[in-house]
Amino acid sequence: GAVVSQHPSWVICKSGTSVKIECRSLDFQATTMFWYRQFPKQSLMLMATSNEGSKATYEQGVEKDKFLINHASLTLSTLTVTSAHPEDSSFYICSAPKASGRSSYNEQFFGPGTRLTVL
Amino acid sequence: GENVEQHPSTLSVQEGDSAVIKCTYSDSASNYFPWYKQELGKRPQLIIDIRSNVGEKKDQRIAVTLNKTAKHFSLHITETQPEDSAVYFCAASKSFGNEKLTFGTGTRLTIIP
Repeated sequence: GAVVSQHPSWVICKSGTSVKIECRSLDFQATTMFWYRQFPKQSLMLMATSNEGSKATYEQGVEKDKFLINHASLTLSTLTVTSAHPEDSSFYICSAPKASGRSSYNEQFFGPGTRLTVL
Repeated sequence: GENVEQHPSTLSVQEGDSAVIKCTYSDSASNYFPWYKQELGKRPQLIIDIRSNVGEKKDQRIAVTLNKTAKHFSLHITETQPEDSAVYFCAASKSFGNEKLTFGTGTRLTIIP
């Protein structure tokens, strides 16, 4: 099946610093990628839709100036958490749609996630 | 926007029994309904999905039913095994899987040996 990778898998940073998370589609091109955030024991919440070559679309309540998204190529989207604070500590997961081998329709392929801890 | 509700939040069943998890959605334009299994610290794994052009789908011990009129869909796991213990999420999307997913709140399933 399709593979989506994320880097780093975990990161610890000090409050006030910025952290960049990469999401790559390894064996397919993705014009669209999605960024989700998952707090402990909670569900996945969509933060933004990353569009190759254009601006990202942010969900209501997500600060676009704090969570910078860049989708500069068909295989790479990056999420930068600027001026991170402890409340930004979470599990960040990206996904990209691709036709699955099981049908002609698309399904979402998820990256392994990045655990961010802000001290 | 879409709103997906999921019940129950926790479910314990004896090994070998069946488990049922239910979800409702609000947006009649949604047409893709996947179910994911997530283990602690891992990515969600797709276990089964259904699109609005069918009412039921089965894959070995797992089945999903969809009632478009009532806007609800359910996951059925039969002959449960200890390895089925995990958190399960339902989700809804438009455009048959090309668009963003709205997730339910999750169900922690525990299989009692």
